[in-house]
Amino acid sequence: DAGITQSPRHKVTETGTPVTLRCHQTENHRYMYWYRQDPGHGLRLIHYSYGVKDTDKGEVSDGYSVSRSKTEDFLLTLESATSSQTSVYFCATTGELEEKLFFGSGTQLSVL
Amino acid sequence: ILNVEQSPQSLHVQEGDSTNFTCSFPSSNFYALHWYRWETAKSPEALFVMTLNGDEKKKGRISATLNTKEGYSYLYIKGSQPEDSATYLCALYAGGTSYGKLTFGQGTILTVHP
Repeated sequence: DAGITQSPRHKVTETGTPVTLRCHQTENHRYMYWYRQDPGHGLRLIHYSYGVKDTDKGEVSDGYSVSRSKTEDFLLTLESATSSQTSVYFCATTGELEEKLFFGSGTQLSVL
Repeated sequence: ILNVEQSPQSLHVQEGDSTNFTCSFPSSNFYALHWYRWETAKSPEALFVMTLNGDEKKKGRISATLNTKEGYSYLYIKGSQPEDSATYLCALYAGGTSYGKLTFGQGTILTVHP
């Protein structure tokens, strides 16, 4: 299996606090993605990266920011968490767009 | 926003039935179409990545076809088994100005009854 690690695995936080989720990969993959899973919506793209310091917005990027200062790490920050951001967050990576995505195990985030 | 649509949203079949789902997408700037299988409480697992019009891929009892000119892909499961119960997702990479952007459909939830 591809070496993709998400941390933390579970997080409970309060509304208004900042939260950072980390995705770490050991595959030297160029492309990294953050998705959120919500019932009836499948996986919705938050932000993605196509190289170090190269990031772009997905379809649900409001309230989220990302950073990728090195190939192996892609950080997702909720600047001021809201209850609507309660979700399961998945990181995914791939080396080439014609190749499959490898997924992390997910982070369950609850914003109270 | 890329419109990747999957149908049906959910499907209930009996063990042994064959079934199929559809993924529809804009045909312009097509680059690659992915299929994933997603079991509850697990991470999505790749089935196929398809890039060529007319492409057909097969993995055991599961196969997929691709029509990039009309913008659709079919996923077929032959002789469904209860262990095939999962959500099946397709994802599109369309290229163009959205370099690297991989957009998923909302998924088809398959339940196979013994």
